[in-house]
Amino acid sequence: RKEVEQDPGPFNVPEGATVAFNCTYSNSASQSFFWYRQDCRKEPKLLMSVYSSGNEDGRFTAQLNRASQYISLLIRDSKLSDSATYLCVVSPNQAGTALIFGKGTTLSVSS
Amino acid sequence: DTAVSQTPKYLVTQMGNDKSIKCEQNLGHDTMYWYKQDSKKFLKIMFSYNNKELIINETVPNRFSPKSPDKAHLNLHINSLELGDSAVYFCASGRGYEQYFGPGTRLTVT
Repeated sequence: RKEVEQDPGPFNVPEGATVAFNCTYSNSASQSFFWYRQDCRKEPKLLMSVYSSGNEDGRFTAQLNRASQYISLLIRDSKLSDSATYLCVVSPNQAGTALIFGKGTTLSVSS
Repeated sequence: DTAVSQTPKYLVTQMGNDKSIKCEQNLGHDTMYWYKQDSKKFLKIMFSYNNKELIINETVPNRFSPKSPDKAHLNLHINSLELGDSAVYFCASGRGYEQYFGPGTRLTVT
């Protein structure tokens, strides 16, 4: 079983759509969870951290379910500029350790 | 201001050559990393250094040797390059759980 699994997509949606990405992780001892965004031929950039209580940043909402080892990202009112690959990322058990990346989910928003 | 910088951005070389990639961060972080992103876009850790000390060394051929002259720099030297080494190499630095990535070095081995 892969450590972090994501549906690779692609997700093709029109502007204004709501889209949800899901991710599962295998290590129940994982401590921290993130969504990163990677544009084509660019470096990954932190989009948001994910907390058990859920957190929202503008049009983006992230949720964590530790019991199910499941992470989600919801994007509302999609913009053309949201087109990118979204990487589900898990940090194992202590700060300073390497991040474990999923393979990413590709989103394409069209007008 | 560039937080994490890498040079060169592109590197094209022939099999068997030795090459180096340099990385510098001005964020004051204690920990730096090298990641490899292969042709399938899968991003995977190679090495991690904390205060110039190696703390993570994943299953990477010993042709790859990281060197950290100080905590702001982490360079990657690769000996006897092979076709399979072609990838994008990202340097990153972090404090706590968040990491910041450099722009990547696209290595092509011919």
